[in-house]
Amino acid sequence: DAGVTQSPTHLIKTRGQHVTLRCSPISGHKSVSWYQQVLGQGPQFIFQYYEKEERGRGNFPDRFSARQFPNYSSELNVNALLLGDSALYLCASSLTGAGNTIYFGEGSWLTVV
Amino acid sequence: AQSVTQLDSQVPVFEEAPVELRCNYSSSVSVYLFWYVQYPNQGLQLLLKYLSGSTLVKGINGFEAEFNKSQTSFHLRKPSVHISDTAEYFCAVSERGTSYGKLTFGQGTILTVHP
Repeated sequence: DAGVTQSPTHLIKTRGQHVTLRCSPISGHKSVSWYQQVLGQGPQFIFQYYEKEERGRGNFPDRFSARQFPNYSSELNVNALLLGDSALYLCASSLTGAGNTIYFGEGSWLTVV
Repeated sequence: AQSVTQLDSQVPVFEEAPVELRCNYSSSVSVYLFWYVQYPNQGLQLLLKYLSGSTLVKGINGFEAEFNKSQTSFHLRKPSVHISDTAEYFCAVSERGTSYGKLTFGQGTILTVHP
């Protein structure tokens, strides 16, 4: 079975631009979450979605937004890109229920120049 | 709120030697505990998790971890490492009882296994 898939794998954007990152969860997983991993640090929680509703949000500015579609895939959008947004963006999916394993994709590498 | 501290940013070790990667956590509520591994240019892979029951948890690739509630620690161990274990390891927690798992990660420990 396919794991969590993300696209694009790498991209370069200019300051001030907008970016959309995409994620397809493991089949049967209805919960999707997004994490930002800056080089040399652990992943930081950005958003979690379940059944198309936002269930949690980390400490990120309003420039960051996300949504989940009826097929449970998800998009992360970042507006007005800053140099500090350069990071690996990880999507994760899981079954609902306490303690279920959260599975990660290989991430989208975003470089802002 | 939860926080996770990985006490060593880098751990060098020789092949076939034992290794311990240390993790302490802080939380006002009960938590689940996880260890993930990240190989270069890849996503995160779950090594093991502690939900309840026996405090000694066995995971993949010969790793194990012990939950110590009094010391709020969850250290990862392997009795004999291989070159292929070279990677970055992350300790993480999530709040017990919630259906939507939000993970709080530590800063990571880079394990380098030398021949």
